[in-house]
Parts: sequence; C-alpha cells; structure tokens
Amino acid sequence: AQSVTQLDSHVSVSEGTPVLLRCNYSSSYSPSLFWYVQHPNKGLQLLLKYTSAATLVKGINGFEAEFKKSETSFHLTKPSAHMSDAAEYFCVVTGKGNAGGTSYGKLTFGQGTILTVHP
Amino acid sequence: DAGVTQSPTHLIKTRGQQVTLRCSPKSGHDTVSWYQQALGQGPQFIFQYYEEEERQRGNFPDRFSGHQFPNYSSELNVNALLLGDSALYLCASSLDLDNTEAFFGQGTRLTVV
Repeated sequence: AQSVTQLDSHVSVSEGTPVLLRCNYSSSYSPSLFWYVQHPNKGLQLLLKYTSAATLVKGINGFEAEFKKSETSFHLTKPSAHMSDAAEYFCVVTGKGNAGGTSYGKLTFGQGTILTVHP
Repeated sequence: DAGVTQSPTHLIKTRGQQVTLRCSPKSGHDTVSWYQQALGQGPQFIFQYYEEEERQRGNFPDRFSGHQFPNYSSELNVNALLLGDSALYLCASSLDLDNTEAFFGQGTRLTVV
C-alpha cells in the first residue's frame, strides 16, 4: 500500500521569497517519488523525480527536493519564487506493483498544494 | 514529438449514457495509464495497459473499462454514466512497465448532466 499526504492545501508567498511545499509519504516498497505541476486548464508536467539515486534531486525551473527516508518526507523547495510558479503542485509516489513484482504503474497522488505568488 | 494526445478535449453527456475517451501515447511509449481527477482533488488511478492487456487496476467499478490497440493507443469506456463521473480524465504514457517516468496528456473534461 502507498499513500501521500501534502501538508498544506494552499501556500502563499511573495515574488523573490523561498518556496516550501511539504509532502510525507507511505510505501510498502522502496518508493519512487515525484513532484508534478499543473497550471490551470493544462496537463501535468513532471518537475523532478527520485528513484533511489541521490537523495537531493534537482528539477526544472530551479526546483529541488530532498528524500529523507527517516522522516518519510519529500519536500519541494525553490530559493526564489517567480510569478510563473503560481500553479497546483502534486507530490506522487509509486512503487513496484503486483505484490513486489517488477512492474511499476500506479501513481498515487497527494491532494495537491495550490501555490500563490504575490508581486 | 506531439507528446501524449487525448480526444476529445471536452464532452457533455447525459446520465445513463456511455462515453469513449481516446489517448495516443508519446512516440516510443508502449504503456498507457488512465486517471480520474475530480474537481479540487488529485488524480486517481483507474487502470494501466501494456501489451494490450490490463496490468493493474485501481478502485473503480466495472463500468470503467479500457482497451489498448496494437499501435499502443488506448480507449477508456465508461458505461451507465453517473453525475459523479464528471471529472478531468488524464492519460499517461511511459516507456515500459518498469519505467517510472510518466508523461501526461492535457486531459478530457467530461461533464455528466
């Protein structure tokens, strides 16, 4: 079984200030973790992914996330927010499906965090 | 590369009707998954297709069925539509079953009235 909890439904920051979006996960298997972004009326775009390599993962548009197994967390950060970062962000977990088989498949999404950026 | 394409983009159906949504995966991808995203919620996994077979299924009733064609494109069928089936339906493709990176289409907005 796997699940994701995004700790904030809404985050509001000023342009140029740091962004922190929090995510905790639960997984029966070694997980792969992702952050996706969804702009209004658009599909989902992959920001970054962790797949058991380096624990600090760098993504697109200056975002990064750190995998902390002891805390079961995968928080998303960005040093300086831009107006174009305003969107909804989803933390996602997946693991090997079918009772530990080799195939991945089911992505489990958190409820989403809406990021608002003020001028 | 057109990426993942879905059709139609919007659809309005009446309760009790049936609907078919279509998805063409990203070039070179052979695995397709479908997700339902209700308003204000995160996407929920419906099922995954690989080699024309359903490989994994989420917690959705049998009214939701699918198909994958030899060219890897896929259809999602929903029978006996309920008002609660109104949602954004997203298709995702990946390189193969063991690949963790999924690419999503823009979705089909289904409204049931």
